[in-house]
Amino acid sequence: GAVVSQHPSRVICKSGTSVKIECRSLDFQATTMFWYRQFPKQSLMLMATSNEGSKATYEQGVEKDKFLINHASLTLSTLTVTSAHPEDSSFYICSALNPGQSFGYTFGSGTRLTVV
Amino acid sequence: AQSVTQPDIHITVSEGASLELRCNYSYGATPYLFWYVQSPGQGLQLLLKYFSGDTLVQGIKGFEAEFKRSQSSFNLRKPSVHWSDAAEYFCAVGVGNDMRFGAGTRLTVKP
Repeated sequence: GAVVSQHPSRVICKSGTSVKIECRSLDFQATTMFWYRQFPKQSLMLMATSNEGSKATYEQGVEKDKFLINHASLTLSTLTVTSAHPEDSSFYICSALNPGQSFGYTFGSGTRLTVV
Repeated sequence: AQSVTQPDIHITVSEGASLELRCNYSYGATPYLFWYVQSPGQGLQLLLKYFSGDTLVQGIKGFEAEFKRSQSSFNLRKPSVHWSDAAEYFCAVGVGNDMRFGAGTRLTVKP
């Protein structure tokens, strides 16, 4: 079946530094990927939609300059949290849309970001 | 406004008992409907999905869900819960290319 690899699974960084999270579709090409943020004991909130070769579409209230998304190939999207602060600590999950399936969303295993 | 509602934040059932998790949606048209399960610190695993056709959908791990258009509901059921079913369950709807999630229901299974 379709597999999406998300890396790293956990990362701790210092305030003010930047962190990059990768989302790869391993066995299909994904023109569209999505980035979600999940606070403890809460649901997933869509942050942005990433389209290969074009700019990402951000949801209202999400700072595009803080959460940089790059979808340079059909199998890789990256989310960079720039100048991270403790309030950016969260669980980030990506998903990739498999065009070969009807609504074929496959989720990564998530990244736990802790900013100290 | 478009929304996905899971009315129950937390449900506790005994192992072997039946389970029903509720999900209601509010969209202009019939959306694509999904149920996902999430274990702590993990990503989401798809249990089942509904696009059209038979309104009773069978999924993995013995789960099923029934789409009721008149009630705008897509409730998840399992006849006999196992301790390993303890997790967070999310109902989601897909409209266009977007997927929106309910707030989730945390399932605790008592021995």
